[in-house]
Amino acid sequence: EAQVTQNPRYLITVTGKKLTVTCSQNMNHEYMSWYRQDPGLGLRQIYYSMNVEVTDKGDVPEGYKVSRKEKRNFPLILESPSPNQTSLYFCASRQTGADEKLFFGSGTQLSVL
Amino acid sequence: GQNIDQPTEMTATEGAIVQINCTYQTSGFNGLFWYQQHAGEAPTFLSYNVLDGLEEKGRFSSFLSRSKGYSYLLLKELQMKDSASYLCAVPGYKLSFGAGTTVTVRA
Repeated sequence: EAQVTQNPRYLITVTGKKLTVTCSQNMNHEYMSWYRQDPGLGLRQIYYSMNVEVTDKGDVPEGYKVSRKEKRNFPLILESPSPNQTSLYFCASRQTGADEKLFFGSGTQLSVL
Repeated sequence: GQNIDQPTEMTATEGAIVQINCTYQTSGFNGLFWYQQHAGEAPTFLSYNVLDGLEEKGRFSSFLSRSKGYSYLLLKELQMKDSASYLCAVPGYKLSFGAGTTVTVRA
């Protein structure tokens, strides 16, 4: 089944404790992206990747890192999480081409205490 | 990012019609996406308009005017399961989403 797999689904952590949210897709998509979703603000892009070893900042990249060592994986890293990073995070992928639809992972609800 | 405006909330009765408007700044990419997102779930693709005019897909239709930076999503014969947020999005390498319109369908 074609899908984007994100883990974990829920995560509670404390300020400053490094964490990684994993994202993997099995559709051979070149483009992958991370979004955070907050009430009233909608989906905001954190980072995106056009291909392996090619990443670029989205609209809200501060406090986040990503890597794209393999085509299928695009982990999101929070080196030193802070409470303002408490949010719902989505990973997504699509074929090359800005007019291609996005496929989303099921989301990660992160709480930073 | 893009400046995308859509209403925050709409309420309608089962069986009715609701129209969700979306206005945006035109960009180098043509077209506009609509996604549906049920509470606590991931967004799912509804439609993509690349040409001006109305496109119909069953109970859902989407309209686009590229020159005006305007789109709407029309939901007909509303069902309870249509209660969700509806997000318009402007394509690009930095795909930009509107904040979403929460539609509540009442019995």
